[in-house]
Amino acid sequence: AQSVTQLGSHVSVSEGALVLLRCNYSSSVPPYLFWYVQYPNQGLQLLLKYTSAATLVKGINGFEAEFKKSETSFHLTKPSAHMSDAAEYFCAVISSGGYQKVTFGTGTKLQVIP
Amino acid sequence: EAGVTQFPSHSVIEKGQTVTLRCDPISGHDNLYWYRRVMGKEIKFLLHFVKESKQDESGMPNNRFLAERTGGTYSTLKVQPAELEDSGVYFCASTPAGVGTGELFFGEGSRLTVL
Repeated sequence: AQSVTQLGSHVSVSEGALVLLRCNYSSSVPPYLFWYVQYPNQGLQLLLKYTSAATLVKGINGFEAEFKKSETSFHLTKPSAHMSDAAEYFCAVISSGGYQKVTFGTGTKLQVIP
Repeated sequence: EAGVTQFPSHSVIEKGQTVTLRCDPISGHDNLYWYRRVMGKEIKFLLHFVKESKQDESGMPNNRFLAERTGGTYSTLKVQPAELEDSGVYFCASTPAGVGTGELFFGEGSRLTVL
């Protein structure tokens, strides 16, 4: 079985501050991990993904995430928040190989304060 | 290239009524998925089509939900009769054929409100 846990349903940061959204996963086999973002009134879009290559993954809009097996974590970071980053962020996991059923976390709403 | 499109974007119905949601995947994508998000909770898998065949429908809540994908193109998800707990956002996603890396291409979702 696979699962992800996102810590914090709401996170507020000031514009220009560090963004840190937390995700911990559970998977019985090596996982593929994802961060999706949903902007207001839009569908989910892929922000970045980890598929067993480099542990530090860079995504769109300056976001990056680091896969840490020892901590079973895949936290999302961005050095400097921008107003346009306000959105809901979802961590997701699949178990590598074979048929894939993506399992999502509960989401974290990011608020950016001017 | 057109993305995944869903219709309607929002539907408000009374308990006991029927609603049909439609999803048009990206052209040529064999895999089509339905997911649902009840307010404040995680996005949960409902089912997966490969072309017109149901590959996995383990997430379908009960027999009030019926999904079809005639001809392997667009899909419909019918809820009959709707209950209050069916309220939420229904997402459709598609992917190309074969075993990919798990990236899903999502539509904007259909918000269902059951009163």
